[in-house]
Amino acid sequence: DTAVSQTPKYLVTQMGNDKSIKCEQNLGHDTMYWYKQDSKKFLKIMFSYNNKELIINETVPNRFSPKSPDKAHLNLHINSLELGDSAVYFCASSDRGALGNQPQHFGDGTRLSIL
Amino acid sequence: SQQGEEDPQALSIQEGENATMNCSYKTSINNLQWYRQNSGRGLVHLILIRSNEREKHSGRLRVTLDTSKKSSSLLITASRAADTASYFCATDQAGTALIFGKGTTLSVSS
Repeated sequence: DTAVSQTPKYLVTQMGNDKSIKCEQNLGHDTMYWYKQDSKKFLKIMFSYNNKELIINETVPNRFSPKSPDKAHLNLHINSLELGDSAVYFCASSDRGALGNQPQHFGDGTRLSIL
Repeated sequence: SQQGEEDPQALSIQEGENATMNCSYKTSINNLQWYRQNSGRGLVHLILIRSNEREKHSGRLRVTLDTSKKSSSLLITASRAADTASYFCATDQAGTALIFGKGTTLSVSS
């Protein structure tokens, strides 16, 4: 059983399009995250939700909008895709505690390529 | 701003040798974590060490933390080809998210 699953695994699309990435975790965690990993493998937090409430919102263009329908799901919608959005997007989850003091469990990523 | 910096950026060793990776950070932390990322996969948590701990072990992994030097090291003993991956340290800044370093790419050849 996959603990944190993301769909799709690959996403190839044209500049200007709108796309969504879905994430689900079956670990019973109450905190979920979106990260962006660039071509140099640098991993940066984008958003974090705890029990459907946004708790971290880093400096991310407002073209990116996360949505958490329940604590097991965190989706990411991206409007007007740009070339610079090409990256691997990772979803992760953890138990709540003070942020950073719990192991995080990652999905296998969504590889987004903008043509 | 980036919190952790791993060193070296890349490391190539033979099976059976030990691999040591270092992580330096800039501000005070409560916890430091190490993760592994195999090619094309997500990150896998390895060890979490708290600021009041100096050393932690898990199987062939040994992590040390020196808060006075703001540095940590990850030692993998008796490396195997399956240890080939990128290794990241991640630190918390109290009350905020984990901040990851750029990683060390380890290649273990048989």
